[in-house]
Amino acid sequence: QSVLTQPPSVSGAPGQRVAISCTGSSSNIGAGYDVHWYQQLPGTAPKLLIYGNSNRPSGVPDRFSGSKSGTSASLAITGLQAEDEADYYCQSYDSSLSGSRVFGGGTKLTVL
Amino acid sequence: QVQLVQSGAEVKKPGASVKVSCKASGYTFSSHYMHWVRQAPGKGLEWMGTINPSGGRTSYAEKFQGRVTMTRDTSTRTVYMELSSLRSEDTAVYYCAREGFYYDSGSSTWDYWGQGTLVTVSS
Repeated sequence: QSVLTQPPSVSGAPGQRVAISCTGSSSNIGAGYDVHWYQQLPGTAPKLLIYGNSNRPSGVPDRFSGSKSGTSASLAITGLQAEDEADYYCQSYDSSLSGSRVFGGGTKLTVL
Repeated sequence: QVQLVQSGAEVKKPGASVKVSCKASGYTFSSHYMHWVRQAPGKGLEWMGTINPSGGRTSYAEKFQGRVTMTRDTSTRTVYMELSSLRSEDTAVYYCAREGFYYDSGSSTWDYWGQGTLVTVSS
């Protein structure tokens, strides 16, 4: 059971918009800790997609955006493309677990 | 360019230990914490702990306390993760990941990852 909760799967057609939620609690997201998002293509290491809730590293398309409110965060992907099919993970920090970084369970995005 | 190159796959028997290495290049080694994250087959990501290459201070996830040891060798710019008393549930890909600081948001997270090392625990 992951500390942060994500839907196991989402899907969308090419060109559509999808959103992936990440729900935490008062000891992690709700406590004001940043949320980061990672994309993991099959058989590869995770890649940083969004840092500090809503910022994109250099090279990440602006089709990807992040937001945070209260105890939840969300990753939105617009203009879906076939190459977006991957697993997506949210990550934050939890003050109830000493020094602990925590993940969501991951969401599999399928492009129909 | 920043590179993290990990050691090769390992097969271990239950009860044994494994030591995975992560060699860093392309940046000031002592300036960035290094973390270890693992992923069991078909499962999600799990944080194991971190080491400060400058001084060697460590912080481990509660789940791994007493079983994991992270060390570093500044002369070779390499960090190590040793996991002992292996059991089948430790079968996973183990990643090292560099912590980077983003001044625009004041946040830090993992900006570069190693390629992963598969550790298989089987009798």
